[in-house]
Amino acid sequence: DGGITQSPKYLFRKEGQNVTLSCEQNLNHDAMYWYRQDPGQGLRLIYYSQIVNDFQKGDIAEGYSVSREKKESFPLTVTSAQKNPTAFYLCASSIEGSDYSGANVLTFGAGSRLTVL
Amino acid sequence: ELKVEQNPLFLSMQEGKNYTIYCNYSTTSDRLYWYRQDPGKSLESLFVLLSNGAVKQEGRLMASLDTKARLSTLHITAAVHDLSATYFCAGPPGGGATNKLIFGTGTLLAVQP
Repeated sequence: DGGITQSPKYLFRKEGQNVTLSCEQNLNHDAMYWYRQDPGQGLRLIYYSQIVNDFQKGDIAEGYSVSREKKESFPLTVTSAQKNPTAFYLCASSIEGSDYSGANVLTFGAGSRLTVL
Repeated sequence: ELKVEQNPLFLSMQEGKNYTIYCNYSTTSDRLYWYRQDPGKSLESLFVLLSNGAVKQEGRLMASLDTKARLSTLHITAAVHDLSATYFCAGPPGGGATNKLIFGTGTLLAVQP
């Protein structure tokens, strides 16, 4: 079955450490996204990529980095520069990065919950 | 850029009752999405509304879009406990052909027996 796989599901980090969250999709989607969700809040966009080897900052990119070396993969690194990284991180993908004619619905992974100790 | 406001933020309702969740957005948008999230889980797509006057229905949920009023509604008919979840509306930010979405803060729906 096609879908998005995020790992790890739970991650604990000490202050000052970088951590990388994995996101892999086998949907053959061009676009991929990382969102952050804090308790009782909506989703905020961290980074997105519409094509391999290209990505753009979202609304809250500071303290995060990404790469898009393969169409299937879009890992997110939470760096020590991110002051409040404890959150639920959601990866998503869509058929196209830009589309006027179709629905182009975002498909989400199961999420990774990061806790800083 | 698009701002999305949902109300109410929390809704406690009895089984069998009807209610409506409202989603107001700030700029012109030709599409609106509704998602459902169960506690601790990911988001599941419910509806995509692609034009003014669009109406979609699935079971006890019906969504509509009024682009002139910049308003979408999610109507719940004869609620059941299984509908308890957080519901988000979202729209593209506008000004360009991108599908990155701006999400509302969500409406936490609790259906009581």
